[in-house]
Amino acid sequence: GAGVSQSPSNKVTEKGKDVELRCDPISGHTALYWYRQSLGQGLEFLIYFQGNSAPDKSGLPSDRFSAERTGGSVSTLTIQRTQQEDSAVYLCASSLQGIEQYFGPGTRLTVT
Amino acid sequence: AQKITQTQPGMFVQEKEAVTLDCTYDTSDPSYGLFWYKQPSSGEMIFLIYQGSYDQQNATEGRYSLNFQKARKSANLVISASQLGDSAMYFCAMSLYGAGTALIFGKGTTLSVSS
Repeated sequence: GAGVSQSPSNKVTEKGKDVELRCDPISGHTALYWYRQSLGQGLEFLIYFQGNSAPDKSGLPSDRFSAERTGGSVSTLTIQRTQQEDSAVYLCASSLQGIEQYFGPGTRLTVT
Repeated sequence: AQKITQTQPGMFVQEKEAVTLDCTYDTSDPSYGLFWYKQPSSGEMIFLIYQGSYDQQNATEGRYSLNFQKARKSANLVISASQLGDSAMYFCAMSLYGAGTALIFGKGTTLSVSS
């Protein structure tokens, strides 16, 4: 079956612009996670959605970052007023409340 | 605070040999899960193996086994009979309250397998 998909695969943006990153989880998966992978910081948790519960936003690095999940499926991560330190690979994962988190291919964000 | 430590930035092994990738963790929570993921150069994160904190036996999945030593807070990954395709970055990770919550990752270990 289809895995987790993310779009775009690459995004180059100018400092100060807003960007939206999209994640399509595996159909039926109730849990969705966003992570960020950068050279300096490694892999960091950003935000976690579980069903209809309020999301766990404890990993968001600043109020420029926000995410929503519509209809318990697709999720969008929005970064406002991008900074150069936001450059990273943004990974999305989904899980059926189980053990394994299935990761998408990631979106490589470059802020110039 | 919860933390995962991987002290080996790089490991080198020959085909068909076994290799151990080290991982130690720190948490005061009694309920947690430990994971290993593989990330090849393509960038995809691939789940390898899981160990719950209350599991009595070490987890095994094919050529992968997790050497879980709870008192030492270590969760080393053992890969038996290494293959060229095992060359990748390997991440140890932890989730609190068992599984289904966000993962805390270590910095990773790069494994290079040579023929």
